[in-house]
Amino acid sequence: DAGVIQSPRHEVTEMGQEVTLRCKPISGHNSLFWYRQTMMRGLELLIYFNNNVPIDDSGMPEDRFSAKMPNASFSTLKIQPSEPRDSAVYFCASSVDRANNEQFFGPGTRLTVL
Amino acid sequence: GENVEQHPSTLSVQEGDSAVIKCTYSDSASNYFPWYKQELGKRPQLIIDIRSNVGEKKDQRIAVTLNKTAKHFSLHITETQPEDSAVYFCAAHSGGSNYKLTFGKGTLLTVNP
Repeated sequence: DAGVIQSPRHEVTEMGQEVTLRCKPISGHNSLFWYRQTMMRGLELLIYFNNNVPIDDSGMPEDRFSAKMPNASFSTLKIQPSEPRDSAVYFCASSVDRANNEQFFGPGTRLTVL
Repeated sequence: GENVEQHPSTLSVQEGDSAVIKCTYSDSASNYFPWYKQELGKRPQLIIDIRSNVGEKKDQRIAVTLNKTAKHFSLHITETQPEDSAVYFCAAHSGGSNYKLTFGKGTLLTVNP
């Protein structure tokens, strides 16, 4: 198995532009998680899905952030419009299910908003 | 919600010494406690975990202890090696209706040769 796949690996954009981050979870995993990592705030859970349904989006910073999971093998995290304070590493992770199982992280997307 | 505190934020040891990282959690319903290692520029990777029905777990040079009464758990690394240098994160998994991991802020461990 290739593990969790994320694209792009690096993204540099200008303030105000739309950014879309993509994730393919491990086949057979039913739960998918989006995290943001910064030096100041550490590793924060933004949203998670179980069986393609959003379960908890309380970590989504504001309305500029949205996430979708149209099927079991694909999810997107969109930021529109982007701002410099959105600069961070965004990780996608998946697990077999949401209850007490190891979360496997993707390689992350390093986002820089100028 | 769950709150996880991790100490220390940085830890420097000599090769061969032991390293201990401590975490506390607030939600007594939490029942799963993983530890992740993140090397510079890489993804977090699980190194060991413990569930609330046991007090200690070992895997070679790594061990984790859990005190449910005091709501704290610790990571112990013995005979440290330079390749152990990384950021280590503890996390607590809430049970009940809110199945999510809350991470500590991380500990930067440096093992000096």
